[in-house]
Amino acid sequence: GQQVMQIPQYQHVQEGEDFTTYCNSSTTLSNIQWYKQRPGGHPVFLIQLVKSGEVKKQKRLTFQFGEAKKNSSLHITATQTTDVGTYFCVWGYQKVTFGTGTKLQVIP
Amino acid sequence: DTGVSQDPRHKITKRGQNVTFRCDPISEHNRLYWYRQTLGQGPEFLTYFQNEAQLEKSRLLSDRFSAERPKGSFSTLEIQRTEQGDSAMYLCASSLQITGLRETQYFGPGTRLLVL
Repeated sequence: GQQVMQIPQYQHVQEGEDFTTYCNSSTTLSNIQWYKQRPGGHPVFLIQLVKSGEVKKQKRLTFQFGEAKKNSSLHITATQTTDVGTYFCVWGYQKVTFGTGTKLQVIP
Repeated sequence: DTGVSQDPRHKITKRGQNVTFRCDPISEHNRLYWYRQTLGQGPEFLTYFQNEAQLEKSRLLSDRFSAERPKGSFSTLEIQRTEQGDSAMYLCASSLQITGLRETQYFGPGTRLLVL
């Protein structure tokens, strides 16, 4: 069956450092979405990628979808304390599946 | 506020009691979803509706769980004979499904359930 791993599980960075989280699937994904959940909050949609090799940027955030559509990454440049939270990759439509998440802690 | 709303935000109940949660989606969104999230985990899909029709249910949704969306607007999720293992955050999301376009789900703040 399909297996999708999200790594790392936790990441502590000094404010100003970069951060990257990865999602790796054993099978081709039709799409990948990224959500952010602040501590005590609910998931908030960030982006959706559907095309092979797609790269999208939102200010300091860069999202990539691999050429084989089996992996994706979210990169944050120069982290800020407001970036704290758990980042989930999500795949599928209607009955979506959330990855295990990467919990980011930013040390001021 | 035109986002997804959920009520109550917190619920404490004793084991064996029934509880009901309500979700009001973004107006005009035709799809509504229920998820369950336990501490340290990502949300897990429970069920979803397109308008008033319940189209899919997860195996996680035991016989004690029932969801309705009678008029295609708000939805309720009822848990009968609650168990301690039901303690979790119950999240609702809604989306606008248009043929040929890829939808995005927008989440509500959740209802945190604690079963004692």
